[in-house]
Order: sequence, then structure tokens, then C-alpha cells
Amino acid sequence: SQTIHQWPATLVQPVGSPLSLECTVEGTSNPNLYWYRQAAGRGLQLLFYSVGIGQISSEVPQNLSASRPQDRQFILSSKKLLLSDSGFYLCAWNWASEQYFGPGTRLTVT
Amino acid sequence: GQNIDQPTEMTATEGAIVQINCTYQTSGFNGLFWYQQHAGEAPTFLSYNVLDGLEEKGRFSSFLSRSKGYSYLLLKELQMKDSASYLCAVRLNDYKLSFGAGTTVTVRA
Repeated sequence: SQTIHQWPATLVQPVGSPLSLECTVEGTSNPNLYWYRQAAGRGLQLLFYSVGIGQISSEVPQNLSASRPQDRQFILSSKKLLLSDSGFYLCAWNWASEQYFGPGTRLTVT
Repeated sequence: GQNIDQPTEMTATEGAIVQINCTYQTSGFNGLFWYQQHAGEAPTFLSYNVLDGLEEKGRFSSFLSRSKGYSYLLLKELQMKDSASYLCAVRLNDYKLSFGAGTTVTVRA
């Protein structure tokens, strides 16, 4: 069966510090992968998606970036965090008609 | 841009039925998803409709009318554990999902 992992589960970082969140998928090959962010009390906002290794599409211009170094690995990064980057970050993968989410990383920027 | 509307909050009694409506106006359409999200957790997949009509899965049913840009999620025999946020999402032409803000359902004893 397919499984999606994210780490860390929670993170507290100071403003201006770098960020690296990792997502890996097991049990499937060449998945479409997505990064979403959910601010407190808000809906999910698509940040990036990838249809293959090295292929990244950005939805919202901001100080975040994404990379896909391996088929089943998707990384979200920032060089300098802003207070507004706080939120719940969710990785998702797409298989046929369904999209499944990882457990998420709760990021608090202080 | 994409416009997906759903009510902010709904309250119902244990054992009752609740219907959560979702209307959408999007630049593309390849199906509509419903997700359940408990506080502090990731969303979990409930249903996917791509053709008009009703899809039933146990206590949950989802309906779609593409011509009206309308869907609803029907929750029957409500249980306390159904208290959660319910997210409506439209799959656009390139596999991306656009989400509504979510409907918080509170089930009371």
C-alpha cells in the first residue's frame, strides 16, 4: 500500500532562519506531488506541485522554494523565514482520481 | 481565479442528518473532492465525484451537478466523532486541487 511521510511533525523557528521540510512517498512510482499550506482557520493553499524529478511548478510567489531530487522525495525550503510563513504544511500525492495527504508539519515562526 | 464557496459553520444533533453545500466557479473542472479534517490533523479523503449524480459510501453521500456548479456532502446518523471541518475541493485541468475554506460541523448530544 502507498504511504506518505513528512518530517518533522512540529517545528519552531525564529524569523530569518532557514527551513527544510521533507516528504517521501512509499509504494508507488512517479507520483504527482504537492505542497499545501493551511494558515490557522483557513483553507488549503497550493504552493508547489511536481509531475516528475526536477520538475517544479510554483503557484504562489513567495520566499519558499521546492525541489524534487528523487522520484519519491519532495522538499520545501526557505532561506529566510517570515512570520507569515507560520502554518500547517501538507504534502500530498495523486494517484488516478484520488489525492492523499501526509500527516503534516506544523511550523511556528517566532 | 477560482471561487469555491461553502458555509463556515453548521451545528446538528447526534443521530441527525446534515447537508453541506458547495458551489464553485473554476477555470477548469476534472472532478470534485470532499475531505474531512479533524482539528490539528491532516485532511482525509471522503469522496470524489466526476459525473453528475449521487455517490453513496456508508453514512456519507456526495452529490454533483456540473451544470449548476454545485455539490453537497450528506452526513447521516451523525456521531460525535463526525465533528470536524469538511473541505470541498475542485480538481482543475492539470491535477491541481483548489479548496474552499471549509465547513466546521459541530455535533451536539
